[in-house]
Amino acid sequence: TQLLEQSPQFLSIQEGENLTVYCNSSSVFSSLQWYRQEPGEGPVLLVTVVTGGEVKKLKRLTFQFGDARKDSSLHITAAQPGDTGLYLCAGARTNAGKSTFGDGTTLTVKP
Amino acid sequence: KAGVTQTPRYLIKTRGQQVTLSCSPISGHRSVSWYQQTPGQGLQFLFEYFSETQRNKGNFPGRFSGRQFSNSRSEMNVSTLELGDSALYLCASRETTFTDTQYFGPGTRLTVL
Repeated sequence: TQLLEQSPQFLSIQEGENLTVYCNSSSVFSSLQWYRQEPGEGPVLLVTVVTGGEVKKLKRLTFQFGDARKDSSLHITAAQPGDTGLYLCAGARTNAGKSTFGDGTTLTVKP
Repeated sequence: KAGVTQTPRYLIKTRGQQVTLSCSPISGHRSVSWYQQTPGQGLQFLFEYFSETQRNKGNFPGRFSGRQFSNSRSEMNVSTLELGDSALYLCASRETTFTDTQYFGPGTRLTVL
């Protein structure tokens, strides 16, 4: 069974602080997706990373895929209350037919 | 391009009843996956359909079933509902079963009383 472990599980910070969320596995993935989900809504895709060592930036969010394609991180700079939500990582293996999801990181940014 | 749509958004049923949830994928996407999300278990994979055939199945009892139509729309059915079936049911679509990135719908919140 492929597992994706996310850490931390919960994170509560003040507006303006920086944070990093980690997604780790012992398995190699062909790509990894990060999603953000608000209560009662479906996950919204933030980014897909494909190449080992790849770094993608989306405004204040920086995503990195590990060199061995087994892990990833999400770094948020100067967090805002609007960043509050559940962050999910999902690892995919081409032709495997389904993705493996982490348990998520619940982020709360206080004003 | 319109996103994934799910109907209904909210549903209240009683134990023993059955329910059918519907999902329309993004235009051109032929793979649809279903997930159950609960606070305690996180996101659990139910099954995936591609070109009207079930391609993958998670570890759920036979009370959970699905199908896909020729226009790629999919339905999920749960028979003999139990209290533990209360959850957010999410549908995700992707271009093919060999495409990595999935796009989720808003979900159907099912409450079983």
